[in-house]
Amino acid sequence: DAGITQSPRYKITETGRQVTLMCHQTWSHSYMFWYRQDLGHGLRLIYYSAAADITDKGEVPDGYVVSRSKTENFPLTLESATRSQTSVYFCASSDGSGSSLKSDTQYFGPGTRLTVL
Amino acid sequence: GESVGLHLPTLSVQEGDNSIINCAYSNSASDYFIWYKQESGKGPQFIIDIRSNMDKRQGQRVTVLLNKTVKHLSLQIAATQPGDSAVYFCAENIADSWGKLQFGAGTQVVVTP
Repeated sequence: DAGITQSPRYKITETGRQVTLMCHQTWSHSYMFWYRQDLGHGLRLIYYSAAADITDKGEVPDGYVVSRSKTENFPLTLESATRSQTSVYFCASSDGSGSSLKSDTQYFGPGTRLTVL
Repeated sequence: GESVGLHLPTLSVQEGDNSIINCAYSNSASDYFIWYKQESGKGPQFIIDIRSNMDKRQGQRVTVLLNKTVKHLSLQIAATQPGDSAVYFCAENIADSWGKLQFGAGTQVVVTP
């Protein structure tokens, strides 16, 4: 049971380049989320998705693009990376069915540390 | 501002003692709360959760208490161990918020021998 995985774990890129961070979950969870974590800001929601082909903006969506063609994958793309996007990125998923106490619990991946030079 | 916050940014605890981590929330529509633990270099890990229709829930060495009157959440860790050193986040789910959670800033727990 792989759970939720992210790739790459570490990435260094240059300003202006396009970067895609991958997220894959094996639980068939409906909901998936992308967060960034920076010192002094905690976890901030970038984008989320309630199901395949349904996505919506979170708190800090500017400069990011997401897609969800399959339930298990939720890639995050930085179309033109900037230094301010240097951060640790976490993907999470949740059941969201309301069928149990834990259906709203989000389970997190190990994170991707992105450095933009 | 954030509706979920923590009273103490850093908590130093002696090994074997009990730890109490506090969290205040401001949204009375929140119906579900979660505590996460995040060790250095890792993603947040689920510890325990509680619904708003409960006051207390116990897990293995952890207890979450919810006081809706004063909008306060706490996490108690019994017999704190070195492996409990981490950042602890509380998170709240606001009813009808489409599965989104709102996270607090986190409390660093340092366990000393």
